[in-house]
Amino acid sequence: DTAVSQTPKYLVTQMGNDKSIKCEQNLGHDTMYWYKQDSKKFLKIMFSYNNKELIINETVPNRFSPKSPDKAHLNLHINSLELGDSAVYFCASSQESANRELFFGEGSRLTVL
Amino acid sequence: KQEVTQIPAALSVPEGENLVLNCSFTDSAIYNLQWFRQDPGKGLTSLLLIQSSQREQTSGRLNASLDKSSGRSTLYIAASQPGDSATYLCAVKPFYSGNTPLVFGKGTRLSVIA
Repeated sequence: DTAVSQTPKYLVTQMGNDKSIKCEQNLGHDTMYWYKQDSKKFLKIMFSYNNKELIINETVPNRFSPKSPDKAHLNLHINSLELGDSAVYFCASSQESANRELFFGEGSRLTVL
Repeated sequence: KQEVTQIPAALSVPEGENLVLNCSFTDSAIYNLQWFRQDPGKGLTSLLLIQSSQREQTSGRLNASLDKSSGRSTLYIAASQPGDSATYLCAVKPFYSGNTPLVFGKGTRLSVIA
């Protein structure tokens, strides 16, 4: 049973296209996140949602739009993809109210050509 | 602004050695500190979580310590095995008002050679 699952695992697309990455967690957590891991393997927070509400939005271009239909799902939509968007995107979740550990998905490797 | 540093960036040891990975953070106001493991092409797996009030946590051959006042944590791996080869990441949860995401170090890439 996968706790945090994201799809697709690999995504190769052309510049200018629009794409989405989906994330679901079955841990009953109240908070979900999107992190970006660049080519140097550095992990940086992009967004955080708590009970479907956006609570953190780091300096991310507005081409990136997260959507949370319910607290078990947090999807990431990216418009007008650019070469610099190529990275591995990780979804994660935690029970924020209990200050508990963070659980990650397997990552979605996006390559923009 | 909280910053997390991990030294060394890479480490290679023979099988069976005990080793220590280091993590330092600039602001001692934290909720907790978490150590993760990342295998190539995979997500992060949580290894140990230390709350700010705790000094250490143990799980099997792993022991993590926290010295909040000096902004340091160590991950001790006993009797290393080739299967321990991975990148180890340290992350802290800053103590600010409202929700705060983890701040990650850049990791230490460990190779255990048989």
